Amino acid sequence: SQKIEQNSEALNIQEGKTATLTCNYTNYSPAYLQWYRQDPGRGPVFLLLIRENEKEKRKERLKVTFDTTLKQSLFHITASQPADSATYLCALEGSGNTGKLIFGQGTTLQVKP
Amino acid sequence: GAVVSQHPSWVICKSGTSVKIECRSLDFQATTMFWYRQFPKQSLMLMATSNEGSKATYEQGVEKDKFLINHASLTLSTLTVTSAHPEDSSFYICSAETGYSNQPQHFGDGTRLSIL
Repeated sequence: SQKIEQNSEALNIQEGKTATLTCNYTNYSPAYLQWYRQDPGRGPVFLLLIRENEKEKRKERLKVTFDTTLKQSLFHITASQPADSATYLCALEGSGNTGKLIFGQGTTLQVKP
Repeated sequence: GAVVSQHPSWVICKSGTSVKIECRSLDFQATTMFWYRQFPKQSLMLMATSNEGSKATYEQGVEKDKFLINHASLTLSTLTVTSAHPEDSSFYICSAETGYSNQPQHFGDGTRLSIL
C-alpha cells in the first residue's frame, strides 16, 4: 500500500541554522509533492509544490528537493527563526488523478532563540 | 487570494446531537472540496471528497450516514455529524481546490468538535 513517512521525532535547532526535514514514500509514483505548515489548532497552510520533473524548488528561505529515484523529498529552511516553529506536513497526490492528497504524519520543528 | 472559511471554529455539545460544519471558499469557485479529520498528534485523514452538485465520495471506513456531506454550490460545502458521540470528538478540517491540475489545496482553519 502507499505509504508516506516523515520523521515523527521533533526537530530542535538553534536560530539561524538550517532545518532539514525528510519525507519518504513507498509503493508510489506521484506526479507532484507538496509541503504544508500547520500551527497548533489551525489548518495547514500551503508552502511549496514540486513536480516530478523538477529537482529543486525555492521560495525565499525555503527549498524543496524531489528525488523520484530515492522516493524522497527534503524540505530546508535556511536562517531559521523562532517563528518557523510549527509542524510541517508533506503530501502526495493520491493515485487515480482525483486530486486527493495523502499526508505524512508531520515533523514538528522547534527553533530556539 | 484563495481563502477558505470554516465555521464554527469550535463546538461543544451533548452526545446524540447533530452538528453542522460549513466550509466556504471566499474568493474562488471550488469545484472540489475535501473533508479531513485529525486526531491529536496525528496527520490529516481524508474522510470524503465533495464535488459540487453530486454525491460525495467517502473513504473506506467512513460512514456516509454518519457524516453527511452536501456541496450545493461552488463556494459552499457542509459536513453534518449526525447523532454525535464522544468518539466523534476530533478536529475537522475542510479544503478546497480550483479544479486546475497540480494546484495546492487551500484549507480552512478547522473545527474543534467536542462531544460530552
